This record gives sequence, C-alpha cells and structure tokens, in this order.
Amino acid sequence: DSGVTQTPKHLITATGQRVTLRCSPRSGDLSVYWYQQSLDQGLQFLIQYYNGEERAKGNILERFSAQQFPDLHSELNLSSLELGDSALYFCASSEFSGLAEAKNIQYFGAGTRLSVL
Amino acid sequence: AQSVAQPEDQVNVAEGNPLTVKCTYSVSGNPYLFWYVQYPNRGLQFLLKYITGDNLVKGSYGFEAEFNKSQTSFHLKKPSALVSDSALYFCAVRDAMGFKTIFGAGTRLFVKA
Repeated sequence: DSGVTQTPKHLITATGQRVTLRCSPRSGDLSVYWYQQSLDQGLQFLIQYYNGEERAKGNILERFSAQQFPDLHSELNLSSLELGDSALYFCASSEFSGLAEAKNIQYFGAGTRLSVL
Repeated sequence: AQSVAQPEDQVNVAEGNPLTVKCTYSVSGNPYLFWYVQYPNRGLQFLLKYITGDNLVKGSYGFEAEFNKSQTSFHLKKPSALVSDSALYFCAVRDAMGFKTIFGAGTRLFVKA
C-alpha cells in the first residue's frame, strides 16, 4: 500500500458530463501529481500542486482543472467529457519541492478508471 | 526538452534467465533517472533511482540498473527472472531545474515458467 488514496476506483459516465476525481496524498507529502494513462498515449503528466499552489503543468486540456486544498487532498475535475477521455487517472504524491523534488520518489495511488460512454 | 525512450514494447524471457529492459533518455544538465513497475490494476511502484555516484544502482526485488552517461542509457537488469516479475516497467527522467517527470511508454515484461 503506497499510502495514496484515490476515489472512486471506477467511474462510468456519459459524454458531455462532468466528474471529479479525488486524491489523498501520503501523510506528510506536500506535492500532488496527476497523470493520465491510456493505451495509445501511455502515461501523461497532467499537473502538479505543491502545498496548495500549482507548480507545473503538462498536457492538461482546458476542459480539465485541478486544485489542492488546505488539508492537502487534491481533486481533478474533468468536464465536457469525450469518449477519448476514457483512461486511468493516477494521482501521486511526494515529500519535497524545489531542487530536492527532482530527486524524490513519487508514490502512486491505485488509480481511477474513467469510462465515458 | 526531456524525453525518454523505451525501444521495446515487450520483452520475453524464461524464468531463471537474466533480463534487461532498455531505456535511453535526453535531458539538459544532470539527469535524475527512475524505474517504476506497474502490476495489473495497480498504480506504479518505485523500483530504483539514479541521482549521482555509482553507475550501478541496486533496487527492490533484486533489480538493478546501469547508468551510462556516454550512451545516455539507464537499462534495468536482473540476474535471474521470476514469473512474478511479469509486469509493465516504466523508465522516467527529471532534470534538476524542472518539476516534470517524463515517463517512457513502458515495456511489458513477460517471464515464462
């Protein structure tokens, strides 16, 4: 068990809908990362938060947004869903930021499987 | 820009034989390199990392990786494969000035009994 909790495990919804994925990082970890894993795109970095602030952005669509709350849990919001958004969404957490961040291990949750029908 | 290449989609090896999963990278400055493993229906798990120092890094479950700066490679190795090593393996790279981890496409390792 990595200590990172993601809910829900599975989500089935329709095109055009909006969903929220939730992540609780490991105790003490200040950084949260979101990734999308699909068969054709591999593991894609979406966005990182550190202690409530956005730190880095990857290939995140404008229809997607995220935030990290004062208790350090994070939510990834996906709106106007399309069939192509069906994927596994992973959250990861790590302890540090800054230069130490680059050396740090990321701990991954079990993921949320999103199916858009 | 950073990039990682895992040239093999799948590696097949017999149990008890040595295994190698290949990874090459491109990054400005000193690379920080990682290997992660993903078992079915699970998140990624950290195996090992190279930050600095000895080019041969030892990690979890008997895995090791060799950093080769001239060839910009970081191949994952294990002297004797187990059926339970069958999984999806990801190489990843970060640079010291960036906050992004770039993952390779993954290599599926299949160990046959």
